[in-house]
Amino acid sequence: DGGITQSPKYLFRKEGQNVTLSCEQNLNHDAMYWYRQDPGQGLRLIYYSQIVNDFQKGDIAEGYSVSREKKESFPLTVTSAQKNPTAFYLCASSFQGTYTQYFGPGTRLTVL
Amino acid sequence: AQSVTQLDSQVPVFEEAPVELRCNYSSSVSVYLFWYVQYPNQGLQLLLKYLSGSTLVESINGFEAEFNKSQTSFHLRKPSVHISDTAEYFCAVSEVRSGSRLTFGEGTQLTVNP
Repeated sequence: DGGITQSPKYLFRKEGQNVTLSCEQNLNHDAMYWYRQDPGQGLRLIYYSQIVNDFQKGDIAEGYSVSREKKESFPLTVTSAQKNPTAFYLCASSFQGTYTQYFGPGTRLTVL
Repeated sequence: AQSVTQLDSQVPVFEEAPVELRCNYSSSVSVYLFWYVQYPNQGLQLLLKYLSGSTLVESINGFEAEFNKSQTSFHLRKPSVHISDTAEYFCAVSEVRSGSRLTFGEGTQLTVNP
């Protein structure tokens, strides 16, 4: 089945630790995106990548880092510099220039 | 820069009643418009989209939305809702030639009561 997978579904981390969230797609999409969702705030764009080995900051990139070494993979690292990392993180992908994004099931990160 | 305002954070309705979820956008250029639906603890699913052509767009499960350029609105409607329509709904906008970057509204929680 084609789609976007995110792992793990739930993730717990201690303050001061970095953590990496996985996002994989087998849709042959060119572009991939990371969003953060907090209650009552909608989705906010963290980073996006339109081609392999290239990515751009979104609206709230501070405290996060990404890589895009393969077309199908776009991992997000939440660093210890992120002040309030507890949130629901969503990955999406799209064909370049089509404007329709498809979403993964999300990862809920809780900082203890 | 583009922005989206969803005018109601919560909309409670009874089953089989009509519903309208309101969405207004702001942009200085032409836009594409989207409605996504999110069920609890899941990702977003595309409900419908306006890219060009007819200003009235429909989804397969009875929702429709109308692009109104003069009022910069893209309200979502359904004539008769079901319990299963209970979810959070997000309006999103993308400026043409923006490289497919989306800006989302804050969401509207639709709760359908029996």
